[in-house]
Amino acid sequence: KQEVTQIPAALSVPEGENLVLNCSFTDSAIYNLQWFRQDPGKGLTSLLLIQSSQREQTSGRLNASLDKSSGRSTLYIAASQPGDSATYLCAVPNQAGTALIFGKGTTLSVSS
Amino acid sequence: NAGVTQTPKFQVLKTGQSMTLQCAQDMNHNSMYWYRQDPGMGLRLIYYSASEGTTDKGEVPNGYNVSRLNKREFSLRLESAAPSQTSVYFCASSAEQAEKLFFGSGTQLSVL
Repeated sequence: KQEVTQIPAALSVPEGENLVLNCSFTDSAIYNLQWFRQDPGKGLTSLLLIQSSQREQTSGRLNASLDKSSGRSTLYIAASQPGDSATYLCAVPNQAGTALIFGKGTTLSVSS
Repeated sequence: NAGVTQTPKFQVLKTGQSMTLQCAQDMNHNSMYWYRQDPGMGLRLIYYSASEGTTDKGEVPNGYNVSRLNKREFSLRLESAAPSQTSVYFCASSAEQAEKLFFGSGTQLSVL
């Protein structure tokens, strides 16, 4: 059964720091991995989707990498800002490829 | 550009009452999903619909039923609400199964 783990559960950094969020998954036979952002009391917003044939995707100050062989993905946030404060979740398809399985997320707090 | 619309946003029920959560998407997506989000448990899949006319159980289907009314709409019904169903419910959709996921803003449900 596919399982997704995100460490750390929470992270606090001062504004301007570069940071890395980690995601690991148990079954490497995935065809994509997605990173989402969730603000308090809101739904999830898709940030980046990496296909299995890709090693990384970039959007603005965000860069996500995927290493299927090791079952890991990282989300790199450059020059963090208070507006980046949110919970970040990663998700991979289940083994049947019918839906996404989510990690529990990393809650990021960026202080000014 | 509505995306995924869920109603209601908040609901309080008494144990044993029934209700239906409504979800509609305007992106012509084939696949739709219902997740619940609980503290410490993360997002868990309740039911999904790969395409119009089909529905399947997810990880936590007990106590719920769903209807894929047409391509746009996917409803979730609680026949006899229990306190264990207190949660935040999210509807989501994707063009095809386990592809880029778009979420609604959620329904916060309390069962007393």
